[in-house]
Amino acid sequence: SQQGEEDPQALSIQEGENATMNCSYKTSINNLQWYRQNSGRGLVHLILIRSNEREKHSGRLRVTLDTSKKSSSLLITASRAADTASYFCATDERAQKLVFGQGTRLTINP
Amino acid sequence: SAVISQKPSRDICQRGTSLTIQCQVDSQVTMMFWYRQQPGQSLTLIATANQGSEATYESGFVIDKFPISRPNLTFSTLTVSNMSPEDSSIYLCSVAGPSYGYTFGSGTRLTVV
Repeated sequence: SQQGEEDPQALSIQEGENATMNCSYKTSINNLQWYRQNSGRGLVHLILIRSNEREKHSGRLRVTLDTSKKSSSLLITASRAADTASYFCATDERAQKLVFGQGTRLTINP
Repeated sequence: SAVISQKPSRDICQRGTSLTIQCQVDSQVTMMFWYRQQPGQSLTLIATANQGSEATYESGFVIDKFPISRPNLTFSTLTVSNMSPEDSSIYLCSVAGPSYGYTFGSGTRLTVV
């Protein structure tokens, strides 16, 4: 079963602009993770934010977590063509099982 | 983080046949996870593979259709049995890290004709 929704389902922006994706979930979590998938290949782990954290940075990535609203956002700053991919949020449930959102397809136009 | 070698990367199979997908991890891990990603969709957990015990299947997935082996702490296989076109998907294995998220294999893109 899917834990939550991602918004938007698709996003197209110009290179150099910032991209923001949102994720909502339904149950209590230990952490929330963001992944990138290029062209239907394997997933690459981007960042993990724990339930007691509100914001985390990694390079051009900024993730926020609002546990009261059960939502998270991923911001990619100064986007590049190589950022074109699908982005998924995932939450951990019982016994280390990840439950994924529907994903956002991000297209960066040169 | 762990490194996973998954193969085959893709295959085209006839309906009614079976395909076995292999995942090799470069370190010992307790649990390995198998996911299915149908075209244009997100990932759905098929089962959790534990070494030395039967795999635990999620609702909607059964052992007869997706038998799993886990002979040791670094290796697992998933078989897609008696395939139909509806089984056309990307199949991925994954292992959990203690604090850095999960590592995924590169995926197997299966097309059933």
